[in-house]
Amino acid sequence: KAGVTQTPRYLIKTRGQQVTLSCSPISGHRSVSWYQQTPGQGLQFLFEYFSETQRNKGNFPGRFSGRQFSNSRSEMNVSTLELGDSALYLCASSLSGTIGTDTQYFGPGTRLTVL
Amino acid sequence: AQKVTQAQTEISVVEKEDVTLDCVYETRDTTYYLFWYKQPPSGELVFLIRRNSFDEQNEISGRYSWNFQKSTSSFNFTITASQVVDSAVYFCALSPIQGAQKLVFGQGTRLTINP
Repeated sequence: KAGVTQTPRYLIKTRGQQVTLSCSPISGHRSVSWYQQTPGQGLQFLFEYFSETQRNKGNFPGRFSGRQFSNSRSEMNVSTLELGDSALYLCASSLSGTIGTDTQYFGPGTRLTVL
Repeated sequence: AQKVTQAQTEISVVEKEDVTLDCVYETRDTTYYLFWYKQPPSGELVFLIRRNSFDEQNEISGRYSWNFQKSTSSFNFTITASQVVDSAVYFCALSPIQGAQKLVFGQGTRLTINP
């Protein structure tokens, strides 16, 4: 079974631009979560989607948004990029997003560098 | 608010030594889940264990063991007879059982096993 895939793996953007990251979950998984990893703040939860609906949201500004398609693939978008948005963005998928019973499987991440 | 503290930023040991990674958490929830994840250089987080707050039994899986003590809010991870392949960053995480299904991560411990 293929794992969680994220594209692209690396991105370089400049301040003020916007970026879209993509995540394809494991086949059959309907929940997709996004996390931001930075050296200073560590791993922080961004949001979670299930059946095309955002169920949970972390404490990030509105510049960070996402969506999920009917095939469970998810995209996250960051508008008006700032230097502090440079990070590894990790996507995780699980069957139903119930953390107590479902295991979250993580992708390799997209490393975003903002210049 | 929930918080996870991994006081050990980096640990370096020689192969075959035993090593314990500490994790202390804070939560007002009476029920919650605790996790350990491993992040090898490839970047993707690998799930190691999930523990329900109701279950304080220690767990052993091969060379890995976990010690959960609710009285001290700790969930420590021990690797016995460490191997070079154990080198990675290890994260402890917490999630509520009710409400938003999201992981709150500690800052991670970088473990280096030297041959």
